Amino acid sequence: QTVVTQEPSFSVSPGGTVTLTCGLSSGSVSTSYYPSWYQQTPGQAPRTLIYNTNTRSTGVPDRFSGSILGNRAALTITGAQADDESDYYCVLYVGSGSWVFGGGTKLTVL
Amino acid sequence: QVQVVESGGGVVQPGGSLRLSCAASGFTFSTYAMHWVRQAPGKGLEWVAFIRYDGTKKYYADSVKGRFTISRDNSKTTLYLQMNSLRAEDTAVYYCAKDLPDYAFDPWGQGTLVTVSS
Repeated sequence: QTVVTQEPSFSVSPGGTVTLTCGLSSGSVSTSYYPSWYQQTPGQAPRTLIYNTNTRSTGVPDRFSGSILGNRAALTITGAQADDESDYYCVLYVGSGSWVFGGGTKLTVL
Repeated sequence: QVQVVESGGGVVQPGGSLRLSCAASGFTFSTYAMHWVRQAPGKGLEWVAFIRYDGTKKYYADSVKGRFTISRDNSKTTLYLQMNSLRAEDTAVYYCAKDLPDYAFDPWGQGTLVTVSS
């Protein structure tokens, strides 16, 4: 049973930089897991931010970037804005036609 | 524009069945794989099922394997999810999403709510 881990919550000041991470309960995340990131505000459908580790989806501002940091995938938001306050989910492709989402990170901007 | 719209949700008793639909537009449906993803109330996202562009490969989460069936009708540009033997823990908003080439999902529909309750 593959478990994908994310910080349950994080806070950032307006204008600040925050890095959210996505790991595995056992093992390291690499580009071979094709990590992708999604933003979701309450009552709304998820919005795709980053796919294939570091490719921004159409229309996503370059304040959002993806990478591998150590043994985890990472989503960095620079110049945080009030409307970045959302839940952020990562998902990993774990092979054999299976995808596993992390539990999500609730980001507060204050 | 590229769009997917789910329908078919509702209230069903435990053990019952329901079929969800997802109407696609704005892209060549027959050349893209598709997914279903769900979200229980107040919980995170859970991948449910995948179907290849031509319907020849299907994959399921362990939690739904043997009970749910994903299918598609490329002539109608519509994706389906047949859900049988429904349980209370299947209560969720069900989203369909187009597959991105790099194992990702985009775009997502607005979702359809399935409530399993007696």
